[in-house]
Amino acid sequence: QLAQSGGGLVQPGGSLKLSCEVSGFSLSDSEMNWVRQTPGRGLEWLSYISSRGTSILYADSVRGRFTTSRDTAKNSLFLQMNSLKVEDTAMYYCARRRYGDFDRWGQGTLVTVAS
Amino acid sequence: DIQMTQSPSSLSASVGDRVIITCRASQGIAKSLAWYQQKPGEAPKVLLYSASRLDTGAPSRFSGSGSGTDYSLTINNLQPEDFATYYCQQYYSTPDTFGQGTKLEIK
Repeated sequence: QLAQSGGGLVQPGGSLKLSCEVSGFSLSDSEMNWVRQTPGRGLEWLSYISSRGTSILYADSVRGRFTTSRDTAKNSLFLQMNSLKVEDTAMYYCARRRYGDFDRWGQGTLVTVAS
Repeated sequence: DIQMTQSPSSLSASVGDRVIITCRASQGIAKSLAWYQQKPGEAPKVLLYSASRLDTGAPSRFSGSGSGTDYSLTINNLQPEDFATYYCQQYYSTPDTFGQGTKLEIK
């Protein structure tokens, strides 16, 4: 299971940190991702972190503003979002990558960027 | 980035019908394709991966096929719980990209 927290309302230019606490499997054995969804842009992959944590990838739209990290002792994944823009308003999901597909998803957390 | 064009964007059907949803990639993706079902207020749920492999727990009335750039999701004998939005996803190359979705509604 993936339990997400940390969403909310933030002003443009602000920061927010999302969390995804996993249970039933280990982050050390899993490739994890962040995906967001908006009514207008649909589903958008944002970031990937390898099972060893040594490889982290980002979508162009968030590279340099968002940072993915994890705490394997707490079996938790994080997304630090800085310099937020109105267009970052979305439902954010953490998801486990299996063969390339995403076989486990968090429940989602809503991020609203507005003044 | 690989563009995924999904069609139709919406579809009306009746319980018991067979429906087909297609997804076309802007370049070949070697069957690196998954299909998801999403219901309102829920996260997407994987149905198929590698274009045609059924996820454990997904009903056998769902099937997938395709190769190269063209893929399809078939739902046989539609059930009431199948009315939802469906998405394809390519994971052949980074970034993963998704189709825009097909909303399946009750006729």
